[in-house]
Formats: sequence, structure tokens, C-alpha cells
Amino acid sequence: DTEVTQTPKHLVMGMTNKKSLKCEQHMGHRAMYWYKQKAKKPPELMFVYSYEKLSINESVPSRFSPECPNSSLLNLHLHALQPEDSALYLCASSQDLGSAANEKLFFGSGTQLSVL
Amino acid sequence: DQQVKQNSPSLSVQEGRISILNCDYTNSMFDYFLWYKKYPAEGPTFLISISSIKDKNEDGRFTVFLNKSAKHLSLHIVPSQPGDSAVYFCAATMEYGNKLVFGAGTILRVKS
Repeated sequence: DTEVTQTPKHLVMGMTNKKSLKCEQHMGHRAMYWYKQKAKKPPELMFVYSYEKLSINESVPSRFSPECPNSSLLNLHLHALQPEDSALYLCASSQDLGSAANEKLFFGSGTQLSVL
Repeated sequence: DQQVKQNSPSLSVQEGRISILNCDYTNSMFDYFLWYKKYPAEGPTFLISISSIKDKNEDGRFTVFLNKSAKHLSLHIVPSQPGDSAVYFCAATMEYGNKLVFGAGTILRVKS
């Protein structure tokens, strides 16, 4: 199984809603990532978890709250988002951190989020 | 400030010919480079990589060339096939870093 599964594929939410994005992998990878991609822009790193601990937070606003319940799961909790947060949210995993050989990320197909 | 730049938003190539996708970077600390391919409604998938100790890496129809002095890399696809039509992202990192920096992508269309 070389898949990273993200749910839901599409999400529409209002600015007062609370929602969660979910990501799952069963490759035994110990590093998991959230990226954000706006249209015609490159994916931008948001968070990195390594061995279930938050390793990198790229100064992301607190309305985005990541959670890694176990080594296979990664969530992104959303609250009080703004319309400019509308984007494709990509989850990825890699075998580990700290070695370029392990930077071959496996990406999920993403959640297309629209904030109204 | 974009540290990884793909200056061609799109490229159109005839089937069977060579596709050349270009990428420039500004951070001299980058020493490992990767290419990812993305189809619509799918996440990016890893294609090929190169370490800064090499100037060429080949995998089947795909070859990546690195010119460190020019801070430039390119991806060659020979021969191009219609199934290669996708968005291609260049990415860079430092070998002991934990962060990939992506370019904006180039849309490749291979015409049959």
C-alpha cells in the first residue's frame, strides 16, 4: 500500500464553522506533512510531524490546528477560516526526516477547501 | 521571494520529441533537487531526484541535469508520450533540512 488517503475530497464551509481534514497512510512512514496550494502557485509547507510530534510550524495562523493521533493519522482542524484560506490542502508522508533520501514525499490527492 | 523558479508556465511538445523543463534556484544552500509530476485531481508524485554531487541522473526516459554554477536544473523527457501531459514541479532542499521548496510548476502538453 503506497497510498496517502485524504478525506474529504471537497469541503465547503462558512467562516464560523469548525471542520476537520483527515489524512491516513499505512506505509510505516514516521514523518507527515500538511501543505497548502493556491491555484497556479507551488505547494507551501504548513506543518511537519515527526514520530507524532510537531516538528515544524511555518508560522501558520492558529485557526489551523494540526493533530497527529498516531503514526498513521494526521488531522487538520479548521476554525473561523477566512475566504482567502480557500485552497487545496495536501497531506504527505515520508519515511523519516533529516535525510535528503527520505524527502521523496508521498502525497494524497488533497482536499479542495472553499470558505464562504 | 521565490527561491525556486520555473519561468515557463506551460510547454507544448509533439509526441516522440524531447520535452525540456527548466528550473532555477537562488539559495546556494540547496543541495538536493527533485521533480514531481501532478495529474488533475491527484497529488504530486515523485519522479526523479539529483544530489548536488552529481550533474546528471537518468531513469528510463527521464534525465535530470544540474548546473550548480548557474543554479539551474532541467528535466528531459525522451521520447515524450501523451501520458506525460501533467504539471511538473521542481523542488529543492538541503540534505539535512526538513523542508522542500517547490517551484510554481510547468504544464506539459504532449500532442499525439
